[in-house]
Amino acid sequence: SQKIEQNSEALNIQEGKTATLTCNYTNYSPAYLQWYRQDPGRGPVFLLLIRENEKEKRKERLKVTFDTTLKQSLFHITASQPADSATYLCALDPGYSTLTFGKGTMLLVSP
Amino acid sequence: GAVVSQHPSWVICKSGTSVKIECRSLDFQATTMFWYRQFPKQSLMLMATSNEGSKATYEQGVEKDKFLINHASLTLSTLTVTSAHPEDSSFYICSASPRTGGHYGYTFGSGTRLTVV
Repeated sequence: SQKIEQNSEALNIQEGKTATLTCNYTNYSPAYLQWYRQDPGRGPVFLLLIRENEKEKRKERLKVTFDTTLKQSLFHITASQPADSATYLCALDPGYSTLTFGKGTMLLVSP
Repeated sequence: GAVVSQHPSWVICKSGTSVKIECRSLDFQATTMFWYRQFPKQSLMLMATSNEGSKATYEQGVEKDKFLINHASLTLSTLTVTSAHPEDSSFYICSASPRTGGHYGYTFGSGTRLTVV
């Protein structure tokens, strides 16, 4: 069966460091992979999308990599700030717009 | 741009009653909207795809008679939880995209916390 795995344990880092979150998937061939941020009690907010034929995508302090051979995406936040503390969700799209989400990884950035 | 408004943000209802949740795209037209449910510390689970002017497409295991979806206009979709029970208590979220196919990311509403007592 299709499976999307994100680290269930919270990631604690210090302000200014780079946070790296992992998304692994099995039995899936996504055409697109998306990352979202979700704050407690709120809906997800879209951050970045990467296509299957792209290796890397950047947006300001954010960077996403996509390795379809390893079936893995890495999400990086450089120069992290306490305001970056949230849960980050990985979502896969097979190409017909139906998203499947991972459970998310909570990031805690301490001052 | 690309704002999705969801209302109410929270609701408490008695077991056996029905609750309607609205999802509006404020600055774009959405022929397709999506409804998700999220339990604590769990991933968002797609419940149904709402298509303007036609019947919704429900995911496997979602009771279409219990979760009624109406997408009567290009900017409004509603989800009605009928005869709600405590096990229906959850966080309900809608989403849409201003561009066809959503290959530019989706905009989500702020969610509705439903508590059935």
